[in-house]
Amino acid sequence: AQSVAQPEDQVNVAEGNPLTVKCTYSVSGNPYLFWYVQYPNRGLQFLLKYITGDNLVKGSYGFEAEFNKSQTSFHLKKPSALVSDSALYFCAVTDRYNFNKFYFGSGTKLNVKP
Amino acid sequence: EADIYQTPRYLVIGTGKKITLECSQTMGHDKMYWYQQDPGMELHLIHYSYGVNSTEKGDLSSESTVSRIRTEHFPLTLESARPSHTSQYLCASSESLNPSTDTQYFGPGTRLTVL
Repeated sequence: AQSVAQPEDQVNVAEGNPLTVKCTYSVSGNPYLFWYVQYPNRGLQFLLKYITGDNLVKGSYGFEAEFNKSQTSFHLKKPSALVSDSALYFCAVTDRYNFNKFYFGSGTKLNVKP
Repeated sequence: EADIYQTPRYLVIGTGKKITLECSQTMGHDKMYWYQQDPGMELHLIHYSYGVNSTEKGDLSSESTVSRIRTEHFPLTLESARPSHTSQYLCASSESLNPSTDTQYFGPGTRLTVL
């Protein structure tokens, strides 16, 4: 069965420092992995996705994520955090055999302090 | 910015009322989804649709029903609302059956409170 785990409920980082939001997954086939961000009282916004190819994926707002097949991980990263990056981040997974369904993680709240 | 709309944004109603949450998208997407999300928590898929006249139940059991008579419209109905239905409901759509191009676009959500 497909599943996604985000082990940290909350991540705190100082502005200007690098940030990492962790995600691990479990799928029966080849994974398709996504990151979404949710600002307060807003819907989810797409950040980036990994389908195939280069393991390092670059997305919106300077975010990037690295697909690691051996560790079944897809951690979200940014070299220099901004206060405006503070939001709720969701990792999601689907696969080529069941891509009509997306499975979302429980979310990680990112707090970037000035 | 994705063109997917949900109305109402906020709804407070009494127990036993029938309600319909509206979701519309102007992108011509075939696939549409409804998720239920408690504040700050994960999303649970409750319904999805491949296209007109297609509706499927998601992984989280829900007493709601959906219909897909038009491509752009995917309303969700609760025949008799209860306090346990209090949650945020997010609608999404995606373009194709090809996962390499399939990205979900989300509406702003409807926050439902049943008293």
